[in-house]
Amino acid sequence: GESVGLHLPTLSVQEGDNSIINCAYSNSASDYFIWYKQESGKGPQFIIDIRSNMDKRQGQRVTVLLNKTVKHLSLQIAATQPGDSAVYFCAEPGGSQGNLIFGKGTKLSVKP
Amino acid sequence: DAGVTQSPTHLIKTRGQQVTLRCSPKSGHDTVSWYQQALGQGPQFIFQYYEEEERQRGNFPDRFSGHQFPNYSSELNVNALLLGDSALYLCASSLAPGLGEKLFFGSGTQLSVL
Repeated sequence: GESVGLHLPTLSVQEGDNSIINCAYSNSASDYFIWYKQESGKGPQFIIDIRSNMDKRQGQRVTVLLNKTVKHLSLQIAATQPGDSAVYFCAEPGGSQGNLIFGKGTKLSVKP
Repeated sequence: DAGVTQSPTHLIKTRGQQVTLRCSPKSGHDTVSWYQQALGQGPQFIFQYYEEEERQRGNFPDRFSGHQFPNYSSELNVNALLLGDSALYLCASSLAPGLGEKLFFGSGTQLSVL
């Protein structure tokens, strides 16, 4: 089965609020995680990644948190904007370069 | 600088037919991976081509085959199409096998099998 999964399939937030998208993984040996954003009609787009030697990594308006104890990671989007509306996937390497295992995704809808 | 381009964007086939999908990697990239994305699901890895050879393969039957050309472009072939092959087929490219920010996806080919 999948080693990467998401807790919620949909998330609706008000514009300007912060969004939190969660992801659980099952392989405690996993050492690298990636968040992708997929807008309608497009392929996944890299947002941010994190390695297992870190607990937190920040980008522009996004922060990824990694909790290795409970095998959980989250993507936080600050001041969510309508352009953030998309499906968000967490992914991890499947054992080789170029082979990614994706979770099912969370659809984020931003209300104006 | 063109990103990853895929053709066609949409395709309709009937069961039992064969289909070929095409991918041109991002300029400067030499590695191409293919993914299948069923509706409402995350992409699933099919295979990866590097130096014109299949380097890695996911859990897909032999009906799925591919090719990489000297100019690094790639084709995905699916034989004996099944209804369950209906999906978005994504191509991703990188400079040498790579992940994360090194991997760029195209917009995909939407295949419908009737």
